[in-house]
Amino acid sequence: NAGVMQNPRHLVRRRGQEARLRCSPMKGHSHVYWYRQLPEEGLKFMVYLQKENIIDESGMPKERFSAEFPKEGPSILRIQQVVRGDSAAYFCASSPLRSDSPNTEAFFGQGTRLTVV
Amino acid sequence: GENVEQHPSTLSVQEGDSAVIKCTYSDSASNYFPWYKQELGKRPQLIIDIRSNVGEKKDQRIAVTLNKTAKHFSLHITETQPEDSAVYFCAAVTGGGNKLTFGTGTQLKVEL
Repeated sequence: NAGVMQNPRHLVRRRGQEARLRCSPMKGHSHVYWYRQLPEEGLKFMVYLQKENIIDESGMPKERFSAEFPKEGPSILRIQQVVRGDSAAYFCASSPLRSDSPNTEAFFGQGTRLTVV
Repeated sequence: GENVEQHPSTLSVQEGDSAVIKCTYSDSASNYFPWYKQELGKRPQLIIDIRSNVGEKKDQRIAVTLNKTAKHFSLHITETQPEDSAVYFCAAVTGGGNKLTFGTGTQLKVEL
């Protein structure tokens, strides 16, 4: 089991460009969560997805940010027209669906460190 | 929504001493409380967790206590070692998913 895979590990974008961050959950995991960690700060929830469904996007900025988790392929966090304030580490986590124990460990990927120049 | 506060923000201890980190949460419906350790530039890793139907859990040198009435939970590390130096985050989950509300983190430094 390869764990939660995120790519790229590092991403540099100029202001105004688009950033695409990818997350492949652990095998057998159907829930994906995205978190943002600003420098020297904690992790903030952004969005929670299951396959083809956005369950909770209460932490997503209203503009420029979107996320998807298609039936096939990785989850994508997309940031359009990036600004310097978007520079942060973006972590993806996945967890399985277990009806007998609704809260289970969330496994984190290595993160994508986005730098906007 | 849930709000989690964490103290202290920095903690320096001598090797072999104990370290205690405390968190409070606001939503009485929260039912799962994991603790994560994050080394510089790396991913958060779960070190211990506790569910709301349990008051205490221990795993070797690490223990967590939960007081549901007061809505606070604590991490205890005994016999600290230099490799325990990292940032520790508490978190709370409300409901059946795994949406984590994190505390602001504690930078633990274990000095020789």
